[in-house]
Amino acid sequence: ILNVEQSPQSLHVQEGDSTNFTCSFPSSNFYALHWYRWETAKSPEALFVMTLNGDEKKKGRISATLNTKEGYSYLYIKGSQPEDSATYLCASLNNAGNMLTFGGGTRLMVKP
Amino acid sequence: KAGVTQTPRYLIKTRGQQVTLSCSPISGHRSVSWYQQTPGQGLQFLFEYFSETQRNKGNFPGRFSGRQFSNSRSEMNVSTLELGDSALYLCASSLGGASTEAFFGQGTRLTVV
Repeated sequence: ILNVEQSPQSLHVQEGDSTNFTCSFPSSNFYALHWYRWETAKSPEALFVMTLNGDEKKKGRISATLNTKEGYSYLYIKGSQPEDSATYLCASLNNAGNMLTFGGGTRLMVKP
Repeated sequence: KAGVTQTPRYLIKTRGQQVTLSCSPISGHRSVSWYQQTPGQGLQFLFEYFSETQRNKGNFPGRFSGRQFSNSRSEMNVSTLELGDSALYLCASSLGGASTEAFFGQGTRLTVV
């Protein structure tokens, strides 16, 4: 059974703070690691899909890194804004199909 | 282009009944996956279809089944509903490769009473 774990479970920060979350995933049969942002009353939206060890991706103030050998990924948000408040999900793909195994998510709340 | 559409958005059913949920993927997407989210649980994978074939199945009882049509639209069926089946059911479509992102619908909120 695959186990994808995220920490912390929730996080309260002040506007302007930078923050980061961790996702750990099985390193065997690794194909890809996905990050999604899920805002309340909306659908999860993809942030990044990462496949290569050492990969780093960036979208605006958000960036992510990937270590496939040790099975972890970090998501960084620089200068958090209230609109960044959401649940951030990571999901691991460990077979050739499209079976994403999701972590429990990190709920971020940014106070103005 | 239109996003992933799920119908209905909300549904109330009685224990023992069956239910069918529908998902229309983004045009051109051949992979459709289904997920269940219950309070306190993360997204749990149900199954994935690609070009009308089930490629993967999660750890759910046989009461949960699905299918995909030639136009890539997918349906999910749950028979003999139980109270514990109350959940948000999300479907996601993608091009189908490992490095392709999934696009999610807004979900169907099923309540079993």
